[in-house]
Amino acid sequence: GAGVSQSPSNKVTEKGKDVELRCDPISGHTALYWYRQSLGQGLEFLIYFQGNSAPDKSGLPSDRFSAERTGGSVSTLTIQRTQQEDSAVYLCASSPGGTGGGDTQYFGPGTRLTVL
Amino acid sequence: AQSVTQLGSHVSVSEGALVLLRCNYSSSVPPYLFWYVQYPNQGLQLLLKYTSAATLVKGINGFEAEFKKSETSFHLTKPSAHMSDAAEYFCAVSGNSGYSTLTFGKGTMLLVSP
Repeated sequence: GAGVSQSPSNKVTEKGKDVELRCDPISGHTALYWYRQSLGQGLEFLIYFQGNSAPDKSGLPSDRFSAERTGGSVSTLTIQRTQQEDSAVYLCASSPGGTGGGDTQYFGPGTRLTVL
Repeated sequence: AQSVTQLGSHVSVSEGALVLLRCNYSSSVPPYLFWYVQYPNQGLQLLLKYTSAATLVKGINGFEAEFKKSETSFHLTKPSAHMSDAAEYFCAVSGNSGYSTLTFGKGTMLLVSP
């Protein structure tokens, strides 16, 4: 079946502009995660959605970052007033959810964001 | 809090040689452990995971890993490297506190020479 998809695959923006990154999880997966991958910081957790529960936003680096998940499916990560340090690959993952630890996460190909 | 340490940012082997990628974890609860592989310009692909069913875990592409609680380790091995194994490998841990956010190591780039 179809895996996790993300769009766009690449995004170049100017400092100070807002960007939106999209994630389409695997159909039926109730859990959705955003991670950021950068040279200096490695892979970092950003935010987690599980079903209709309030999202875990503990990994968001600043209030310029926000995310929503509509209808329990598609998710959008928004970065306002982008800064050069936001340049990274943003990875989305989904998992069946509801089983606690050990749930396998399936990753999308990522969106490479470059802030000039 | 959980953490993962991967020893060696780069590991070089010859084709046909043993692959050993090291991972040590820190967790206050019995962990779930994962190895993911990332090929250039691609997302992460699960190689294998440990969920306490067996300490020796076999994964895809001939890889396996052994969970050693006494050493807090989960090293990844493959008896014979292939050129197609060249990629970056990430070890990750999640807890059992109700959700499964992953904490990743810094990654190890595996280089395979002919």
